Amino acid sequence: GAVVSQHPSRVICKSGTSVKIECRSLDFQATTMFWYRQFPKKSLMLMATSNEGSKATYEQGVEKDKFLINHASLTLSTLTVTSAHPEDSSFYICSASAGSNQPQHFGDGTRLSIL
Amino acid sequence: ELKVEQNPLFLSMQEGKNYTIYCNYSTTSDRLYWYRQDPGKSLESLFVLLSNGAVKQEGRLMASLDTKARLSTLHITAAVHDLSATYFCASYYGGSQGNLIFGKGTKLSVKP
Repeated sequence: GAVVSQHPSRVICKSGTSVKIECRSLDFQATTMFWYRQFPKKSLMLMATSNEGSKATYEQGVEKDKFLINHASLTLSTLTVTSAHPEDSSFYICSASAGSNQPQHFGDGTRLSIL
Repeated sequence: ELKVEQNPLFLSMQEGKNYTIYCNYSTTSDRLYWYRQDPGKSLESLFVLLSNGAVKQEGRLMASLDTKARLSTLHITAAVHDLSATYFCASYYGGSQGNLIFGKGTKLSVKP
């Protein structure tokens, strides 16, 4: 149980394009979803937290206009990297939780490479 | 400031040896997670420790939690090459969202 599917697993695209990453909870309702960014050989950095039907809460230093997060249903959240540039290249990982006292379950991650 | 500090950050071991990874946290949480990450992969959940004195074991890995000392340990017994990975601890700091704060990770390399 508690499977989180993240898609795509890898994206390579040109600078200036927008990229959408999907995060789905397959067998539970995720009231809260989290988006992390991980640089090579570094730890996970929380970007934002989203609750279903609400605006996302962004961590300090994360540009909300750059990283658009939508959590339209209890099983789906999306992260859109708008007008991507090479410095946005990174490993993005989502996680989902069924509630504030419930563990986070992680997706497989998306490796984004902007040329 | 909420912090989670792991040490060591790098650990090179020989097969068959024992070692311990330490995780100190500054939150007032009583919940601590350990994850494993292989290169290019996402996180795999290893242990969830929910109370003071909690101890959990899976194979050659054993995790414990001391909430009074705000310390968790991950002990490796008779290491094998397959345990080579990066290990993260994360402290739950609650709130309405139930957020985690991660340590920097310990990169473990087990050599024959």
